[in-house]
Amino acid sequence: DQQVKQNSPSLSVQEGRISILNCDYTNSMFDYFLWYKKYPAEGPTFLISISSIKDKNEDGRFTVFLNKSAKHLSLHIVPSQPGDSAVYFCAASAVSGNTPLVFGKGTRLSVIA
Amino acid sequence: KAGVTQTPRYLIKTRGQQVTLSCSPISGHRSVSWYQQTPGQGLQFLFEYFSETQRNKGNFPGRFSGRQFSNSRSEMNVSTLELGDSALYLCASSPTSGVQTYEQYFGPGTRLTVT
Repeated sequence: DQQVKQNSPSLSVQEGRISILNCDYTNSMFDYFLWYKKYPAEGPTFLISISSIKDKNEDGRFTVFLNKSAKHLSLHIVPSQPGDSAVYFCAASAVSGNTPLVFGKGTRLSVIA
Repeated sequence: KAGVTQTPRYLIKTRGQQVTLSCSPISGHRSVSWYQQTPGQGLQFLFEYFSETQRNKGNFPGRFSGRQFSNSRSEMNVSTLELGDSALYLCASSPTSGVQTYEQYFGPGTRLTVT
């Protein structure tokens, strides 16, 4: 049973526009969420995180929104740049339970110039 | 500061053989986690070591094992290889405590092909 779901395997966006990547989770014990970016032939790179006590966290062009009641989070990239083209993984954990990260299967973002 | 290093980067093995992969974490990081990445399943957690002790284990058969040394370097071993073990194996290290543990730094991975 997949506890973290990224239902869109791929997303294509024009340069300068907003990219919105979505993630849903089923485990109500999850209280910490992260996004990672992965380029080919490299390991994933930590991008941004959010704790369940917040509903929004910003870091430059990247903003993560958390809707706990819907068990949904999203990553917004504004404006999108060609260098943002990568696979994005959503991950979650129950920090209080010291559980390992559970990853989604990833969304491949292509930013077209 | 040097990043996480994994050796070897590529490996080809035959069914039934065993393999050992190595990971050197970022200096000062005491937590090392291992993941298996396949196209169909994404990143799946194998195990985590902290100060030479296994702290968490994923849902993988006993053929998958690991260990961590006193210098925080870690190895994982897969015995009796199966075709389905072909995957990218990623190692990640993280600082010692709290939510920082989850902001992991990944190595480039070892691509294992089982024929």
